[in-house]
Amino acid sequence: AQSVTQLDSQVPVFEEAPVELRCNYSSSVSVYLFWYVQYPNQGLQLLLKYLSGSTLVKGINGFEAEFNKSQTSFHLRKPSVHISDTAEYFCAGRGMDSSYKLIFGSGTRLLVRP
Amino acid sequence: NAGVTQTPKFRVLKTGQSMTLLCAQDMNHEYMYWYRQDPGMGLRLIHYSVGEGTTAKGEVPDGYNVSRLKKQNFLLGLESAAPSQTSVYFCASNQDRGIGESKNIQYFGAGTRLSVL
Repeated sequence: AQSVTQLDSQVPVFEEAPVELRCNYSSSVSVYLFWYVQYPNQGLQLLLKYLSGSTLVKGINGFEAEFNKSQTSFHLRKPSVHISDTAEYFCAGRGMDSSYKLIFGSGTRLLVRP
Repeated sequence: NAGVTQTPKFRVLKTGQSMTLLCAQDMNHEYMYWYRQDPGMGLRLIHYSVGEGTTAKGEVPDGYNVSRLKKQNFLLGLESAAPSQTSVYFCASNQDRGIGESKNIQYFGAGTRLSVL
């Protein structure tokens, strides 16, 4: 079955600390992978994407993610978080068929504390 | 450039009522999608369209109908609303042609919060 798994439903972290949000995808999900961020009561904003090429991709707001094919992972990282990074983060992968639909993980709530 | 616009932003329905959610995109995208977002479940695909006049079922289509009469609009209908349809609904669009990145990015609307009492 096509699936994207986010292992942590909530990640609390202190301001200026590093953070890693984990994401694994099944072999039936394509390697077009995305991280979206959703701030409270807002829509989804694309944070970064992996389509091909370098396995380390950089996104907006200082986030980066590393594509690891052997571990089928696409973990999101930031070396120093801010209070304003408090949001829900969704990992998604494109399905294998021609519909280009996205398969989403269940989301990880990042809670940054002062 | 408005991107993807959803109306209404909020709605409260009584069980059994009907309503239509409108999604409009001004990017000339072929592909459009309706997702629902529920706590702890991420976004799940309800229906999608790969072009004007076409629709297809997604992961959770029951209780919903859709229409794509015009390329820029994708309508989601609830004929007889149920409390289980209380959710946040997102519309998205995607280009299907072009080089590389342009055909692999979905753009999302701001969402519609629906409560069914």
